[in-house]
Amino acid sequence: IAGITQAPTSQILAAGRRMTLRCTQDMRHNAMYWYRQDLGLGLRLIHYSNTAGTTGKGEVPDGYSVSRANTDDFPLTLASAVPSQTSVYFCASSKTSGDKPDTQYFGPGTRLTVL
Amino acid sequence: GQNIDQPTEMTATEGAIVQINCTYQTSGFNGLFWYQQHAGEAPTFLSYNVLDGLEEKGRFSSFLSRSKGYSYLLLKELQMKDSASYLCAVMDSNYQLIWGAGTKLIIKP
Repeated sequence: IAGITQAPTSQILAAGRRMTLRCTQDMRHNAMYWYRQDLGLGLRLIHYSNTAGTTGKGEVPDGYSVSRANTDDFPLTLASAVPSQTSVYFCASSKTSGDKPDTQYFGPGTRLTVL
Repeated sequence: GQNIDQPTEMTATEGAIVQINCTYQTSGFNGLFWYQQHAGEAPTFLSYNVLDGLEEKGRFSSFLSRSKGYSYLLLKELQMKDSASYLCAVMDSNYQLIWGAGTKLIIKP
C-alpha cells in the first residue's frame, strides 16, 4: 500500500441500510478527514480526527459516525442511509495533528448511491 | 459566514496561458491551497500560499493578496492534460480547510 486506500470504490445502497466506508493510510499521518463532494458544491468536511483516539465534527456530521482506534484506519459509518447521502466520499490525511497548516492528501474516493 | 468564490468553468487553448481567480472571506486565515482534480479522481495538491506574493512552480504559479482576500492560479503553456477542475481552499483559524466549488478548465486544441 502506498498512500491512502478507500473501499469500496462504489456502492449502491437501499435507503435505511447501514454502511461503513473504509479508509486506510500507510503514511503514519496523525490527522485524517472525511469529506463529501457534490456537484456544484465544494468539498464539505463530515468528521475529522487529529490523532488516534480522538474525533471531531465537521460541517455536515449528521447521519454519519467515525472512529479512530489506531493511526492507520478511519472508517465512516452511515447508520441508516438516506438518498441525500448520495455523493462521492473522500478520505484524506495530513502529517500534523491539525494544529498547524499542512497539506492534505486524498484517497481515490467512494461513489455512493442511496436509492 | 465563510465563503470561497471561483468561476464555475473556463475555456482556454492549448499552449496559451490561463488565470483562475479565487476570492475568499473566512474566519481566520492560515494559508490558501490550490488542488487539481481530474474527472473521477482524487484532488491532488498543487500549491500553498500564506504570504503575499507569487509562488512559481514550473508551469504553475500561485499568487496571494491577503488584504484583498484574493488569489489566482496561473497556468502557462497549457497542455491537454491540464483539463481538470481546480479547487481553491482556505485554511481557517481552526486549521480546517474551507473549499470553493472548483473551476472546471477545458483546454481546446
